[in-house]
Amino acid sequence: QVQLVQSGTEVKEPGASVKVSCKASGYTFTANYIHWVRQAPGQGPEWMGWMSSNSGGTFYAQKFQGRVSMTRDTSIGTAYMEMSGLRSDDTAVYYCARGSGSDNWRRLDYWGQGTLVTVSS
Amino acid sequence: DIQLTQSPSFLSASVGDRVTITCRASQGISSSLAWYQQKPGMAPKLLIYAASTLQSGVPSRFSGSGSGTEFTLTISSLQPEDFAAYYCEQFNTYPSTFGQGTKVEIK
Repeated sequence: QVQLVQSGTEVKEPGASVKVSCKASGYTFTANYIHWVRQAPGQGPEWMGWMSSNSGGTFYAQKFQGRVSMTRDTSIGTAYMEMSGLRSDDTAVYYCARGSGSDNWRRLDYWGQGTLVTVSS
Repeated sequence: DIQLTQSPSFLSASVGDRVTITCRASQGISSSLAWYQQKPGMAPKLLIYAASTLQSGVPSRFSGSGSGTEFTLTISSLQPEDFAAYYCEQFNTYPSTFGQGTKVEIK
């Protein structure tokens, strides 16, 4: 069965960086994109960007450009999201999700369990 | 960016009720819309994609319709496990965007 398993809770000081991992299993890792979505406490989800697990190509929401980097290691079927210059308003649960389909049939069909990132001094 | 506006933001209903949630897009998105259910402390779960296609394993009491700028998610007979938050997401144009959510609570 498809699973995405993320790394554990992180506590960071303002200005620091964080790197969250997302290990995929149960499907061919390079066949699907990985998307990253975050959710601040009490808020709705916010889409951050996607990465092609095959080519490594990326697309980031403008809000995160220059601060976020999405990478992967195909040998171990793992995607990573690194964010720098953390601020208190980056405190959120960060999710990876598998992208499937094309055109109107695009969707996020499997999600990781989420990684809480707390930014506090 | 395309904005998605859900209504209502909050809904109080009873088991067995028929429930409809609306998602309006700020510009036409064809049928490139998905619906998710999220329970507290859990990741979102895909219910519907391409506006009306039921994800495998999702009960048939969930259905979606619409195209262009107006979409609906309907739960034909609300069950106890359906009390949750619901979000729409558009994929027509990146960046993808989510609606602000609809919280369905027990009356």
